[in-house]
Amino acid sequence: KAGVTQTPRYLIKTRGQQVTLSCSPISGHRSVSWYQQTPGQGLQFLFEYFSETQRNKGNFPGRFSGRQFSNSRSEMNVSTLELGDSALYLCASSDGQVNTEAFFGQGTRLTVV
Amino acid sequence: GIQVEQSPPDLILQEGANSTLRCNFSDSVNNLQWFHQNPWGQLINLFYIPSGTKQNGRLSATTVATERYSLLYISSSQTTDSGVYFCAYCGRYGGATNKLIFGTGTLLAVQP
Repeated sequence: KAGVTQTPRYLIKTRGQQVTLSCSPISGHRSVSWYQQTPGQGLQFLFEYFSETQRNKGNFPGRFSGRQFSNSRSEMNVSTLELGDSALYLCASSDGQVNTEAFFGQGTRLTVV
Repeated sequence: GIQVEQSPPDLILQEGANSTLRCNFSDSVNNLQWFHQNPWGQLINLFYIPSGTKQNGRLSATTVATERYSLLYISSSQTTDSGVYFCAYCGRYGGATNKLIFGTGTLLAVQP
């Protein structure tokens, strides 16, 4: 079956703009988590959605938000972009039960100029 | 806070050599995974191993949950094994969640 699909793969935005990233999980998976990867901070957890509800949240400012739709697809939004938001954003798909294996998409590489 | 430490941070091998990567974690483990990040950034699943030992071809992994560490063994390394290896775990701190905490990674370079 198809893996985790993230779109777009690459994105260039200007400071102050907002951006929306999309993630379609593996069919049947109901949990979607988002991670940010930067050279300085490594891989950091942003938030997790399960059944359209945010189940957990990392230590990121309120400019970072997300949502999940009834078909389990998830979007994350970053408003008022800053240069420091330049990163690889990775989405993980799990079957919904806790502590189960996570599968990652190819990521969206965001560059803020 | 919860910590995941990986060692060594960097490793250079000749093709055909064996290696052991280590992951220490500071909390009781519910989920432990090993990933290989490819040059395009995608995290490729190697093992889901909260405890015990698993093998997949030239790779194997062992997690000793009571002592809070996991090991990834790579035998007969190939140049295609190059890249960054991450361990990530989900501990009991988080309750009902799939939140993973990642180590800082081991950068492996296999030379021909």
